[in-house]
Amino acid sequence: GAVVSQHPSRVICKSGTSVKIECRSLDFQATTMFWYRQFPKQSLMLMATSNEGSKATYEQGVEKDKFLINHASLTLSTLTVTSAHPEDSSFYICSARDLTSGGGNTGELFFGEGSRLTVL
Amino acid sequence: AQSVTQLGSHVSVSEGALVLLRCNYSSSVPPYLFWYVQYPNQGLQLLLKYTTGATLVKGINGFEAEFKKSETSFHLTKPSAHMSDAAEYFCAVSIGTGGFKTIFGAGTRLFVKA
Repeated sequence: GAVVSQHPSRVICKSGTSVKIECRSLDFQATTMFWYRQFPKQSLMLMATSNEGSKATYEQGVEKDKFLINHASLTLSTLTVTSAHPEDSSFYICSARDLTSGGGNTGELFFGEGSRLTVL
Repeated sequence: AQSVTQLGSHVSVSEGALVLLRCNYSSSVPPYLFWYVQYPNQGLQLLLKYTTGATLVKGINGFEAEFKKSETSFHLTKPSAHMSDAAEYFCAVSIGTGGFKTIFGAGTRLFVKA
């Protein structure tokens, strides 16, 4: 199946700094990618939908200026947590659909490995 | 509105025992249904999916699920649990209109006892 890769898998930063997380589709082109946040022992919370070549669509309650999303190519979307604070510490996961496969027509998602952010 | 309910945040079984993870959904249109598995500190991996056709679907690692429209259920089963099955399992519904919005259940953590 399609492969989605996230980097870094773990990152520790100081409060007030910015952190960038990359999400790449390795063997397919993804016009749309999704960014989730997962709190301990909880489900995935959709933060935003990343659209190649256009602005991301943010879910209600997600700060656009805090979580900057850029989808500059068909294989790369980035999430930048700006001026990070300890409450931003979380597990961030990206996903994408492979529209060239049959699964793309059913909403099947391919997930990255996740990135654990710890803000000190 | 669409929703997904997973009954039981935690399920514990003995190795070799039947695994049953429950999922019920509500949807105003025919949904696509998925089960994903998440191992610690990893992303999600597709176990199986129902789109159309046969209502009993088989997935990886010996798991299967049956779509029951009348019960709006999509329960996940495995005849014999293995220690490696210990993980978090998410049921998800994908709604086709407007670009496939995916809704996840709260997740069920499966513990397997030796």
